[in-house]
Amino acid sequence: GQSLEQPSEVTAVEGAIVQINCTYQTSGFYGLSWYQQHDGGAPTFLSYNALDGLEETGRFSSFLSRSDSYGYLLLQELQMKDSASYFCAVYSNSGGYQKVTFGTGTKLQVIP
Amino acid sequence: NAGVTQTPKFQVLKTGQSMTLQCAQDMNHNSMYWYRQDPGMGLRLIYYSASEGTTDKGEVPNGYNVSRLNKREFSLRLESAAPSQTSVYFCASSKRVTAQETQYFGPGTRLLVL
Repeated sequence: GQSLEQPSEVTAVEGAIVQINCTYQTSGFYGLSWYQQHDGGAPTFLSYNALDGLEETGRFSSFLSRSDSYGYLLLQELQMKDSASYFCAVYSNSGGYQKVTFGTGTKLQVIP
Repeated sequence: NAGVTQTPKFQVLKTGQSMTLQCAQDMNHNSMYWYRQDPGMGLRLIYYSASEGTTDKGEVPNGYNVSRLNKREFSLRLESAAPSQTSVYFCASSKRVTAQETQYFGPGTRLLVL
């Protein structure tokens, strides 16, 4: 089967850097994505990694290590509006079927 | 360009009632998805349609049926609602089922089953 682990909550100070980790167990892995969801809203796409390494998109970066089955989302220069839940999503191909599995999410609270 | 639209926004059902959640996208995407989101459980995939004419089960398909009516529309049906199906339901679409293709989510349907 598939499993993903993320911390349930993280608190960080405005202007600081925070890292949200995601570890996964899946067969046929081929990609990891990150989504942001504000309370009461719909998830929105942030970034993806198909290959090992760091992908940078403005203040947000995402890292993947396929050998360690591990990824993280790095948020820099935190702003109050970054308070939201962050989900990692694993894409896999198993038995000819493509699957996507979301983690349970990490609730980030940014404090002044 | 409305993106992904869902109807209704809210619904209250009694146990045993049936209903269909509607979803439509205007981005000419091939793939569409139905998720449910419960507190502390993240998003769980119910069914998806990789392309028009195909549907596949996700993680939690029991109690649901889907129809990919055409490229634009993907509906989710609850034949006999149960309290355990109280949740927020999100529809999403993407060009393909792959990590680098953004999934665009609709605003969600909040369903309460009494």
